[in-house]
Amino acid sequence: EPEVTQTPSHQVTQMGQEVILRCVPISNHLYFYWYRQILGQKVEFLVSFYNNEISEKSEIFDDQFSVERPDGSNFTLKIRSTKLEDSAMYFCASKRQGGLDTQYFGPGTRLTVL
Amino acid sequence: DQQVKQNSPSLSVQEGRISILNCDYTNSMFDYFLWYKKYPAEGPTFLISISSIKDKNEDGRFTVFLNKSAKHLSLHIVPSQPGDSAVYFCAASVLIQGAQKLVFGQGTRLTINP
Repeated sequence: EPEVTQTPSHQVTQMGQEVILRCVPISNHLYFYWYRQILGQKVEFLVSFYNNEISEKSEIFDDQFSVERPDGSNFTLKIRSTKLEDSAMYFCASKRQGGLDTQYFGPGTRLTVL
Repeated sequence: DQQVKQNSPSLSVQEGRISILNCDYTNSMFDYFLWYKKYPAEGPTFLISISSIKDKNEDGRFTVFLNKSAKHLSLHIVPSQPGDSAVYFCAASVLIQGAQKLVFGQGTRLTINP
């Protein structure tokens, strides 16, 4: 069964450094998402991406964040200058089509900012 | 942001009995609801969904009920099995230009006792 994959599983970085989190969505999916979950808190929406552009973003997704689909398979989240409060689990999700459909999640990347 | 609430942080059920997990929402614009199951250090795994035009959807041991007038949904698992022990998240979405931002509840930790 096709799955969303994410790398790395755990990323440790120093405050102020740039990180890139990588995702490979399910191959025939067209809509892509990033969510995050700070320890002990809810899963929160960050951004949705379709047709090579951002379709919606949350207030968390400020200028420090960017997303890209550099080729036909990868979907990346870049944090330009990490802060302590960016420490969280980051989940990528994908959806096959527009309309009401199910989002499938990857296993997540645990980001630790020191 | 309390648009989706799961008021029970934990639930303990005997193996073979019915597990009922509850979820309330406040935004009447939500048109699609999903339940995800999550194990530690893994991403949310899709279980079952329901659109706002229905009041029940069943898939094997899992049934989701939607009461729009009460803005309430529930997930029934019967019979409960030890492998069902996990954190269960309710999520709701509004469709905006094909994208679908999911709003999650806080989760309910279900423990199935042998």
